[in-house]
Amino acid sequence: DAGITQSPRHKVTETGTPVTLRCHQTENHRYMYWYRQDPGHGLRLIHYSYGVKDTDKGEVSDGYSVSRSKTEDFLLTLESATSSQTSVYFCAISLGSGNTIYFGEGSWLTVV
Amino acid sequence: KNEVEQSPQNLTAQEGEFITINCSYSVGISALHWLQQHPGGGIVSLFMLSSGKKKHGRLIATINIQEKHSSLHITASHPRDSAVYICAVTAYSGAGSYQLTFGKGTKLSVIP
Repeated sequence: DAGITQSPRHKVTETGTPVTLRCHQTENHRYMYWYRQDPGHGLRLIHYSYGVKDTDKGEVSDGYSVSRSKTEDFLLTLESATSSQTSVYFCAISLGSGNTIYFGEGSWLTVV
Repeated sequence: KNEVEQSPQNLTAQEGEFITINCSYSVGISALHWLQQHPGGGIVSLFMLSSGKKKHGRLIATINIQEKHSSLHITASHPRDSAVYICAVTAYSGAGSYQLTFGKGTKLSVIP
């Protein structure tokens, strides 16, 4: 298994509070991604990174920010959580476009 | 933006049946991935294809670049194959980076 861990794995938070999810890899992969998975929508890209301090938005980036200050860590922040951000969040890593993708185990976030 | 369509959305099969799941995409890609997700579980990469055909055990994946189409076949299906199968494509998104786009998945149930 690829060395990729997400934390926390489960979190319940209140509307309006900030939340940070962490993705940590030990594989030195260049690409890191944050996705959310919701019934009927499948996996949707929130943000991705193609190197340290190099990030870009995905299709559902509103309300989220990311940071990657070192290769191994990719942080996803919900500045002010809303109920619509209740979801399962997956981090993924890849060496590049023609390489296998490895997924973290997912983080279940509930905003009440 | 690449559109990824999978069919069927849901599939129920008897144990031992031959199963085919299809994936089509709209624009040129650098790679196509088949992923498996068990209920409540993480996401595992089954195959990464850029051309031709790959086989792993009872699973076979094919891709036709000209027709922008891929298929995942499962021979001699078994109840443990019950899962959601997801097609994803990698395409160049500019500025030296690549993005993954996912299909919505095919839910497979194999009945004993």
